[in-house]
Amino acid sequence: DIVMTQSPDSLAVSLGERATINCKSSQSVLFSANDKNYLAWYQQKPGQPPKLLIYWASTRESGVPDRFTGSGSGTDFTLTISSLQAEDVAVYYCQHYYSTPPGTFGQGTKLEIK
Amino acid sequence: QVTLRESGPALVKPTQTLTLTCTFSGFSLTTSGMCVSWIRQPPGKALEWLALIDWDDEEYYSTSLKTRLTISKDTSKNQVVLTMTYMDPLDTATYYCARTSSVKGAVDYWGQGTLVTVSS
Repeated sequence: DIVMTQSPDSLAVSLGERATINCKSSQSVLFSANDKNYLAWYQQKPGQPPKLLIYWASTRESGVPDRFTGSGSGTDFTLTISSLQAEDVAVYYCQHYYSTPPGTFGQGTKLEIK
Repeated sequence: QVTLRESGPALVKPTQTLTLTCTFSGFSLTTSGMCVSWIRQPPGKALEWLALIDWDDEEYYSTSLKTRLTISKDTSKNQVVLTMTYMDPLDTATYYCARTSSVKGAVDYWGQGTLVTVSS
């Protein structure tokens, strides 16, 4: 099974500053036939289900602010929040959907305000 | 509008079998590319993907839990059912059902989740 590892486990960033979360997969999630990375990012706030932010590693979900950017390919991926807002405080998860069984999540990264 | 809602017991005893039902609307599980997954989250912990069933009746299970899980669907009722046998206190978690479509590959709609506590 593919294992997803996020870093750091927690992160404190000042309002307006950049936040960067990393996700590494134990094997490539790039499907060469369509050149797509089978990787998603989610945001989860307390008491709520997760919310999809990014899919295919870099495609922003409709309605997601453009300060959220997904990048990377193969085994190494990054979620960047360009200018942290108070409402971005949450736990962020990456997930692969490349192989069977699909859907393994990373352990989560807790983002707080410094 | 896509919605999913989980239902089932809030409390189960150790060794019992858990049966959860996901009732959805706004899409059909007979449409090519549509899938429904079950995902759980123990209190204060990370998300754990459990199982998925797709439009073509293919079933996929977590490697670590596959001997205890069964996922099925009733397309006439727009429902997906998850059963988990031999429940243990470590299975205490919020259980979510969620939709995936092949367009995005990722989970784009989630239910609100249902908290299941395993205790005698």
